[in-house]
Amino acid sequence: DAGVIQSPRHEVTEMGQEVTLRCKPISGHNSLFWYRQTMMRGLELLIYFNNNVPIDDSGMPEDRFSAKMPNASFSTLKIQPSEPRDSAVYFCASRHLFWAFFGQGTRLTVV
Amino acid sequence: TQLLEQSPQFLSIQEGENLTVYCNSSSVFSSLQWYRQEPGEGPVLLVTVVTGGEVKKLKRLTFQFGDARKDSSLHITAAQPGDTGLYLCAGATVSNFGNEKLTFGTGTRLTIIP
Repeated sequence: DAGVIQSPRHEVTEMGQEVTLRCKPISGHNSLFWYRQTMMRGLELLIYFNNNVPIDDSGMPEDRFSAKMPNASFSTLKIQPSEPRDSAVYFCASRHLFWAFFGQGTRLTVV
Repeated sequence: TQLLEQSPQFLSIQEGENLTVYCNSSSVFSSLQWYRQEPGEGPVLLVTVVTGGEVKKLKRLTFQFGDARKDSSLHITAAQPGDTGLYLCAGATVSNFGNEKLTFGTGTRLTIIP
């Protein structure tokens, strides 16, 4: 298995544009997490899914953020409209029992 | 919100020295994990501890879960430059729906000087 795959690896966009981050979890893992990492706030949980169902989205900053998991092999995190303060590295992780594996992240820069 | 405080925040030591990193919380966790993250990469799982008082060893790394399952420590013996990285602890809690979510600590950035 190739591990958790995120795309794109880097994204630079202008303020106000829509941004979509993508994640392919490891096959067979039933939980998927979206995290955001910044120097100031560390690694923050945004939302997590269990068996494709959103369980806890209390970490989503505001209504500009939305996440979907239409099937077991794909998830998206969308920001619309994007703002400079959204600049961060966004990680997707999939988990089975005690084992959690992270993707390489998407470095988002909003200018 | 469960807060996991790690200390120290930064640590720079000479190769061959020993060190301990701490992860503390006022919350009880069903399990606790330690990760290492290198620049440009995602965190990589090192170990999971489940039972209060549990000790696990991974070569030169020793992990301990506190008796009350609120805190943990990571001890590295004879540190090597390859140990350099950001060390993160993560506590697992069970939601009202019976699912587990991971909350990460503030991180310890470790630098081993050759």
